[in-house]
Amino acid sequence: NAGVTQTPKFQVLKTGQSMTLQCAQDMNHEYMSWYRQDPGMGLRLIHYSVGAGITDQGEVPNGYNVSRSTTEDFPLRLLSAAPSQTSVYFCASSYQPGTSFAGYTFGSGTRLTVV
Amino acid sequence: AQKVTQAQTEISVVEKEDVTLDCVYETRDTTYYLFWYKQPPSGELVFLIRRNSFDEQNEISGRYSWNFQKSTSSFNFTITASQVVDSAVYFCALGTSYGKLTFGQGTILTVHP
Repeated sequence: NAGVTQTPKFQVLKTGQSMTLQCAQDMNHEYMSWYRQDPGMGLRLIHYSVGAGITDQGEVPNGYNVSRSTTEDFPLRLLSAAPSQTSVYFCASSYQPGTSFAGYTFGSGTRLTVV
Repeated sequence: AQKVTQAQTEISVVEKEDVTLDCVYETRDTTYYLFWYKQPPSGELVFLIRRNSFDEQNEISGRYSWNFQKSTSSFNFTITASQVVDSAVYFCALGTSYGKLTFGQGTILTVHP
């Protein structure tokens, strides 16, 4: 049971390049989400998904695309990288919240630098 | 809209002191979940505690305890007898039924030996 796996752990991009941050979970969680962490601002929600084929925007979605074709995977695509997207990215997953909701499992993060 | 405010940006204590981290939240949802996470220098997010909105019972778990008060929308977290290993950034977070988390800005805790 690997939990939430994010790849790569580190990445340097040039402005204008595109790339995909991978996120996979093996816990059969319905809910998955992407956050970015910038210094002094906590984590902010980029996109989230409540199940395969269903995604929605979070607080800071501009410049990012997501899709959820399977329960296990929730990739985050940067369409044209900008220096403002330099950040640490976290993926999280959970069961549907309810009375026995145990919380969210986070990946170890991807540190992205755009130069 | 959801909002979480951690008024304390940084706290510095000496080992064995008790320390309380404050968290105030805003939400219109009647069902929600409150969390505290720890982020050590290594960068991962470590789950500490969770409380559901329909359960205001406060508990103690080892050196950790929390005080959840719906009347004041507060969810404060206390570390008893702090240790150097407790030095980290602590985040309070508010979760909704749609799997979305709203984080506070974080409190940097430094425990000096």
